[in-house]
Amino acid sequence: DSGVTQTPKHLITATGQRVTLRCSPRSGDLSVYWYQQSLDQGLQFLIQYYNGEERAKGNILERFSAQQFPDLHSELNLSSLELGDSALYFCASSALPDGNQPQHFGDGTRLSIL
Amino acid sequence: AQSVAQPEDQVNVAEGNPLTVKCTYSVSGNPYLFWYVQYPNRGLQFLLKYITGDNLVKGSYGFEAEFNKSQTSFHLKKPSALVSDSALYFCAVRDGGAGNMLTFGGGTRLMVKP
Repeated sequence: DSGVTQTPKHLITATGQRVTLRCSPRSGDLSVYWYQQSLDQGLQFLIQYYNGEERAKGNILERFSAQQFPDLHSELNLSSLELGDSALYFCASSALPDGNQPQHFGDGTRLSIL
Repeated sequence: AQSVAQPEDQVNVAEGNPLTVKCTYSVSGNPYLFWYVQYPNRGLQFLLKYITGDNLVKGSYGFEAEFNKSQTSFHLKKPSALVSDSALYFCAVRDGGAGNMLTFGGGTRLMVKP
């Protein structure tokens, strides 16, 4: 068990809808990362937060947004969903925003768009 | 920009034999390299990292990796494979920018046969 909790585990919705994925980092970790894993794109970094502030941004679509709250949990919001957004979304956390600590991953949220 | 290549989609090995999963990387500065393993329906699990120091890095579950700067490689190895090692393995390199963003290779499926 990595200590990173993601909810829900599975999400099924329709095109055009909006969903929110939630992540609780490991106790003591201040930085949270979001990744998307799909068959055609592989594992892609979306966005990173540290202590409530955005730290780095990757290949995140404008329809997607995220935030980190004062209690350090994070939410990834996906809107105007398209079939191609179907993927496994992972959250990871680390103690510090950079440096040499490994990132610890949750078990992911599987998003299916019908 | 940095990149990671895992040239083999799948590696097959018999139980008890040594295994190697290959990884090559490209970064502009000093590389910070990581190996992760993913079991079905689970998140990525950290195995080992290279930051600096000895070129041979030891990690979890008997895995080790050899850093070779001249060949820009970071191959994952294990002296004696177990059936339970069968999983998807990802090599990753850390971005040298402001965050701790990881760039992942496409993954290599390891199949260990009894």
